[in-house]
Amino acid sequence: TQLLEQSPQFLSIQEGENLTVYCNSSSVFSSLQWYRQEPGEGPVLLVTVVTGGEVKKLKRLTFQFGDARKDSSLHITAAQPGDTGLYLCAGHAGGTSYGKLTFGQGTILTVHP
Amino acid sequence: KAGVTQTPRYLIKTRGQQVTLSCSPISGHRSVSWYQQTPGQGLQFLFEYFSETQRNKGNFPGRFSGRQFSNSRSEMNVSTLELGDSALYLCASRDSGGGKETQYFGPGTRLLVL
Repeated sequence: TQLLEQSPQFLSIQEGENLTVYCNSSSVFSSLQWYRQEPGEGPVLLVTVVTGGEVKKLKRLTFQFGDARKDSSLHITAAQPGDTGLYLCAGHAGGTSYGKLTFGQGTILTVHP
Repeated sequence: KAGVTQTPRYLIKTRGQQVTLSCSPISGHRSVSWYQQTPGQGLQFLFEYFSETQRNKGNFPGRFSGRQFSNSRSEMNVSTLELGDSALYLCASRDSGGGKETQYFGPGTRLLVL
């Protein structure tokens, strides 16, 4: 069974602070996605990374895929209250269909004004 | 393009009943996957359909089933509902061509079993 360990589970910070969320596994993933989910809604895709060592930036968000494709991180610079939500990492383990995602447990981020 | 749509958005059932949930994928997407989300277990994969065939199945009992139609729309069915089936059921679609790694999720159907 391929597992994704996401940390921390909860993060409560003040507006303007920086933060990093980690997603780790003992298995190799052929691709990894980060999603953000609002209460009662479906996850919204933020980014897909497929190459080991890849770094992608989306405004104040920076995503990195580990060289060995076993881990990933999401870094938010100068967090804003609008960043509040549940952040999920999800990956396709090697050899499985792209239609089957394994999810981390998620990080609930609260940014206080 | 319109996103993934799911109906109904909310549903209340009682134990022992059965339920059918519907999902319409993004136009042109032929793969549809279903997930169950609960506070305790997080998001768990139920099954994937591609061109009307089930490609993958997660570790759920046989009470959970699904199908896909020729227009790629998909339904999932849960029979003999149990209290523990209360969850947000999410459908996701993906393109089988470029960007095939990425799934796009619908808003979900919130099922409450009483």
